[in-house]
Amino acid sequence: GENVEQHPSTLSVQEGDSAVIKCTYSDSASNYFPWYKQELGKRPQLIIDIRSNVGEKKDQRIAVTLNKTAKHFSLHITETQPEDSAVYFCAAFMNRDDKIIFGKGTRLHILP
Amino acid sequence: DADVTQTPRNRITKTGKRIMLECSQTKGHDRMYWYRQDPGLGLRLIYYSFDVKDINKGEISDGYSVSRQAQAKFSLSLESAIPNQTALYFCATSDPGTEREKLFFGSGTQLSVL
Repeated sequence: GENVEQHPSTLSVQEGDSAVIKCTYSDSASNYFPWYKQELGKRPQLIIDIRSNVGEKKDQRIAVTLNKTAKHFSLHITETQPEDSAVYFCAAFMNRDDKIIFGKGTRLHILP
Repeated sequence: DADVTQTPRNRITKTGKRIMLECSQTKGHDRMYWYRQDPGLGLRLIYYSFDVKDINKGEISDGYSVSRQAQAKFSLSLESAIPNQTALYFCATSDPGTEREKLFFGSGTQLSVL
């Protein structure tokens, strides 16, 4: 069935350094790839997304890249800050089924 | 502000009890979802509904049922709760228009089954 793999499951980076989280998806018909951030005790919230007709999208310190051929997409956070500490989920939208499949999440720790 | 509200926020119950988790939204969205979050397993879809007369099973529907009482209300029931249903449950909504892929989550219900 459809699957989204996310790596790593845990990531620790020094404040000010960059963080990269990677995801792969199985269904080549997927056409929309969101990233959600979940702070401790809070609900997941959409932070950035990319559609399949675009290779890269940037919003201030965060960016997402998509390689449709390889079925990979990644979240890049530059100049990390303490408030970036959270769990991040990637997801793929299955247009055929009209539903979203989530990765298992990455817990990002920003070290002082 | 328009929001997605879940009740209760926390619930502790015993094995075999019937439990209902409720979700209501003021976003005016037609689509509603129930997800379950377990550490290391991400967000898994239990049931979803695209309108009042539409109910669909997700990837982990066994042991759960749902009711879409109105456009704004979608409840999740555990007929006979078991300990491995201990988890954080999220309701979510989306607009069926051009941004139907974007989910808006409720604040969550932490359920513990003893």
